[in-house]
This record gives sequence, C-alpha cells and structure tokens, in this order.
Amino acid sequence: AQSVTQLDSHVSVSEGTPVLLRCNYSSSYSPSLFWYVQHPNKGLQLLLKYTSAATLVKGINGFEAEFKKSETSFHLTKPSAHMSDAAEYFCVVSIIQGAQKLVFGQGTRLTINP
Amino acid sequence: NAGVTQTPKFQVLKTGQSMTLQCAQDMNHEYMSWYRQDPGMGLRLIHYSVGAGITDQGEVPNGYNVSRSTTEDFPLRLLSAAPSQTSVYFCASSPDTSTSYNEQFFGPGTRLTVL
Repeated sequence: AQSVTQLDSHVSVSEGTPVLLRCNYSSSYSPSLFWYVQHPNKGLQLLLKYTSAATLVKGINGFEAEFKKSETSFHLTKPSAHMSDAAEYFCVVSIIQGAQKLVFGQGTRLTINP
Repeated sequence: NAGVTQTPKFQVLKTGQSMTLQCAQDMNHEYMSWYRQDPGMGLRLIHYSVGAGITDQGEVPNGYNVSRSTTEDFPLRLLSAAPSQTSVYFCASSPDTSTSYNEQFFGPGTRLTVL
C-alpha cells in the first residue's frame, strides 16, 4: 500500500529564513513523487516532481526537494522564505494502478512572519 | 486556454437534495478525476475517467456518481446529499495516465456545504 506522511501540519518561519517541509512516503512500487502548493482559496499548482532521473529536483519559485530512498523521504526546501510562499503544501505519491493514482499527504500549512 | 474550470464555486444544500458539480477542460486531456479535500486529510480520489465512456471508482466513491460522455466534461453527481459530503471538491485532468510522472492540472474547486 502507498502512503504519505507529512511530519508537520504547520510550519512558521520568518521572511528571509530557510524553509523545510518534511515528507516521508511508503510505496510498494518505484514511485514518482510530487510537491503541490495551494494558495488560499485557489486550486493546486505543481511545484516540482521526482521521476528517478535525478535525486535533487529543482522546482518553481526557488523550491527544491531531495529524494532519499534509504530514508524514504522527499523533503521540500527553500533557502530564503518570501511572504508569497505562505500557502498549504502537499507531498504526493504517484503510482500506476490501472491508471495514474495520486496519494496525498495531509498537508503542511506554511506561515511566513514579517 | 482556460485550463480546468469548475462550477459553481460555492453551494449550500439541504440533506437529501441532489446536485451536479460541473468540470470542464479545454486541453484535450484523456484523464479526468474528482477529489475531495477535508481538513487534515489531504485530497482523496472519488472517481476518475481515462477517456470518454470510461469511468472507475477511487478511494471514496460512495454517494457520488459520474459519467463521461465527452472528452471535455466530467460532472460529479450527488444523488442525495449528506452532511458528511460537506467538503471542497477539486477536478483534475492529465494528458494520459500511462506513466506515474504526468502532472495533473487542478481546477479552482467547489466549496460545498450540506446542512
């Protein structure tokens, strides 16, 4: 069975400081892994995805994530937070079971303090 | 391109009422799906379709019906609404589902309240 655990439901950082959002996954297959972002009252937007080509993945808006198979982790980082980064972030496992299935983590709400 | 559109944005129903949530995409995507988002639970798959005339159940299908008569449209029907169906509903589409790394494109969501 596939599952995703986001280790923090809420993260609060000051503007200009690093961001770390933690994600662990469990999968019987070799998964693809995504991070999606949801700004308030908006739909979801893809930040980045891991597809086995490279373990360090760069995404939009300065975010990146590192796939660590030994730790079954896919943590999201950004060197310097911006006020516009305040949003909900979802770690997602993507597998093929007949068709593509996305399994979402519970979400991490990121708050940026001025 | 408008992408994935959903109507209505907000809806309030009484228990037992029926309604249809509309979803349309103009990207000629074969794959479309419906998710519900509840606090602290991420998004969960309700139903999906890999092409016109083909639908299948996801993780939480009970209480919902779907059909796919065209490539563009994928409506979600609640036949008899229940308070447990209060949620935010998202429609998504993807070019195909033959690989696990295809991006799914999400609509803006419909916020449904059942009293």
